[in-house]
Amino acid sequence: NAGVTQTPKFQVLKTGQSMTLQCAQDMNHEYMSWYRQDPGMGLRLIHYSVGAGITDQGEVPNGYNVSRSTTEDFPLRLLSAAPSQTSVYFCASRLGNTGELFFGEGSRLTVL
Amino acid sequence: AQSVSQHNHHVILSEAASLELGCNYSYGGTVNLFWYVQYPGQHLQLLLKYFSGDPLVKGIKGFEAEFIKSKFSFNLRKPSVQWSDTAEYFCAVNEWREYGNKLVFGAGTILRVKS
Repeated sequence: NAGVTQTPKFQVLKTGQSMTLQCAQDMNHEYMSWYRQDPGMGLRLIHYSVGAGITDQGEVPNGYNVSRSTTEDFPLRLLSAAPSQTSVYFCASRLGNTGELFFGEGSRLTVL
Repeated sequence: AQSVSQHNHHVILSEAASLELGCNYSYGGTVNLFWYVQYPGQHLQLLLKYFSGDPLVKGIKGFEAEFIKSKFSFNLRKPSVQWSDTAEYFCAVNEWREYGNKLVFGAGTILRVKS
């Protein structure tokens, strides 16, 4: 099993550009989520999904879109990047409603 | 909304010193509690978790945590730290919802262990 795979690992964008962070898991986990990690603020939940076709907002959803068309994939879209979205993004998944979250290795995004 | 407070953002200890990292949460209902660790340059890994039963939970690498329901706390402890424990530690609380329980993280505590 590869676990949770995120791409790209690094990305630099200009303000206003759009991009998609990819996340895939091969553990058949129902629950998937996106967090952003900023110094002194811990991990903040952006969006999450409890299964294909179901998504919901977390603490900081503005500026981000998600969709969940398959169990395996949970892409995060930035429609118009802003410098405030410079961060490290982590995708995570788990089997059910509780239990351990398995994290990807992170994607470092810089918006100029 | 649920909030998770970690009392110290930076902690510096010498090797063999004892460690206690504080964590308090605000949710009054059923909770699941976690401590995650992030070593430099790596992603988060689970240290330990509490779901039910014995409120003293033992995790990997000699870490333990105690759930005190009356104090809404889940403090992390280790009797004797090592240089390799240098990392950032995150407390997290699972907020039960009708569906899709959300895991809310604290701001993290950076631990530096001096050799």
